[in-house]
Amino acid sequence: GAGVSQSPSNKVTEKGKDVELRCDPISGHTALYWYRQSLGQGLEFLIYFQGNSAPDKSGLPSDRFSAERTGGSVSTLTIQRTQQEDSAVYLCASSLGARGGGDNSPLHFGNGTRLTVT
Amino acid sequence: AQSVAQPEDQVNVAEGNPLTVKCTYSVSGNPYLFWYVQYPNRGLQFLLKYITGDNLVKGSYGFEAEFNKSQTSFHLKKPSALVSDSALYFCAVRDRQAGTALIFGKGTTLSVSS
Repeated sequence: GAGVSQSPSNKVTEKGKDVELRCDPISGHTALYWYRQSLGQGLEFLIYFQGNSAPDKSGLPSDRFSAERTGGSVSTLTIQRTQQEDSAVYLCASSLGARGGGDNSPLHFGNGTRLTVT
Repeated sequence: AQSVAQPEDQVNVAEGNPLTVKCTYSVSGNPYLFWYVQYPNRGLQFLLKYITGDNLVKGSYGFEAEFNKSQTSFHLKKPSALVSDSALYFCAVRDRQAGTALIFGKGTTLSVSS
C-alpha cells in the first residue's frame, strides 16, 4: 500500500515568511510524528500525535512552530516568520500506535520536505 | 526525560570484518529500543527492535543488537560487513509508559571499505 506522503518535497522561502508542510500518514496508523533532520544534529523530535490524546509538543523549538492533525489523519506543520536556522529536512512518520500500553510499533517515514530559508 | 547517545559520529570497517555501532540510552522506566538505517538519498528504514525477552534481537540485512540493561546499552552488530551496509544508523528509545515520544540519537555514519 501507499507509504507516508509528504509535500512539498522541496520548499524555498524568504526569511520572515510562513510555511506549511503537509503529511499524509499510512491509512489506519494512529500515531504521527514530526522530526527535523539537520546536518550534524541527527533527528530532532518536534511533535507526536497519538489517537485522540493531547499531542506531545515538548520538542517544538519555539512558539513559531505549530502542528495540527485533522480527523486523525493528515497533519500540517506550520512555521511562522521563518528564520535561516529553520532550514532543514522535516520528516513525518506514522505508526500503528499504542495498543493498550506503550507503543512499540515501528515508524514508517516519509521522504521529507527540504526547507531552505534564504 | 529520555535520551540516546551514539558516541561515534563515524565507524570505519573493512568488508568482511565484524562491525559494531554503539548506543546507550536513558529512560526513567523500562525501554523499547530501536535501530533505523538511512541509506544515501533514501528514507529512514526500520532495522530491528527490542521489546522484551531475549536480549539478542535479530533484524533485517543480517543485523542484530544486544540489549544490556546494566550498561543501558543497545549496540548494533553484524558478523561480516558489506560495502552496501554503508549508511547512517540511528538508535532510538522510548519509555514503555504510554504516551511518550520516540527519541533518536544523532546518528552514526558507517563506512565499509572494499
